Amino acid sequence: AQKITQTQPGMFVQEKEAVTLDCTYDTSDQSYGLFWYKQPSSGEMIFLIYQGSYDEQNATEGRYSLNFQKARKSANLVISASQLGDSAMYFCAMRDREDSSYKLIFGSGTRLLVRP
Amino acid sequence: DVKVTQSSRYLVKRTGEKVFLECVQDMDHENMFWYRQDPGLGLRLIYFSYDVKMKEKGDIPEGYSVSREKKERFSLILESASTNQTSMYLCASSSSRVRETQYFGPGTRLLVL
Repeated sequence: AQKITQTQPGMFVQEKEAVTLDCTYDTSDQSYGLFWYKQPSSGEMIFLIYQGSYDEQNATEGRYSLNFQKARKSANLVISASQLGDSAMYFCAMRDREDSSYKLIFGSGTRLLVRP
Repeated sequence: DVKVTQSSRYLVKRTGEKVFLECVQDMDHENMFWYRQDPGLGLRLIYFSYDVKMKEKGDIPEGYSVSREKKERFSLILESASTNQTSMYLCASSSSRVRETQYFGPGTRLLVL
């Protein structure tokens, strides 16, 4: 069965520093996609970045980058130059691209607090 | 912009009441999903639908049902609310493109007394 593990329930980072949020996954499938979402205190889930299992390069979106290590089955999110507005819950999720249901499986999340 | 709306941000209901949570999306997405979110557990899939009148059970369907009579609308029904259904409920939609993300609504915080 597919599984996403986020081992950091909470993290602190100083404003303007970089931070890495860990995500490991377990799947026997060869074709899959990995997503990161941000959930501010308002509750809405905001899509940040996507990595396909066959993508040759790590995904980047502005200050967000995904450190994808396929052999280790890890997909860590790196946030550069942290801002106060980055304080939120962050969820890693996976989808089996061969599953026609397009379901996502989520990790338990990491709460990030950015210190001024 | 994709927009997913949910009928209520906050709801307070009593044990045994029938509860309807409505979700509407405006992007003509085929797929719609209902999740519940509890601290330390992440998001867990309750039901999903990949077409009008089609529904599939997710990981935790017990105590819930769904309805999708129109493509843009996906309803979650708690037939007889119980206190262990107190949670945050999130609706999402997506197209069937491979790299497509799911787009989420603002969530409904349900308290069952």
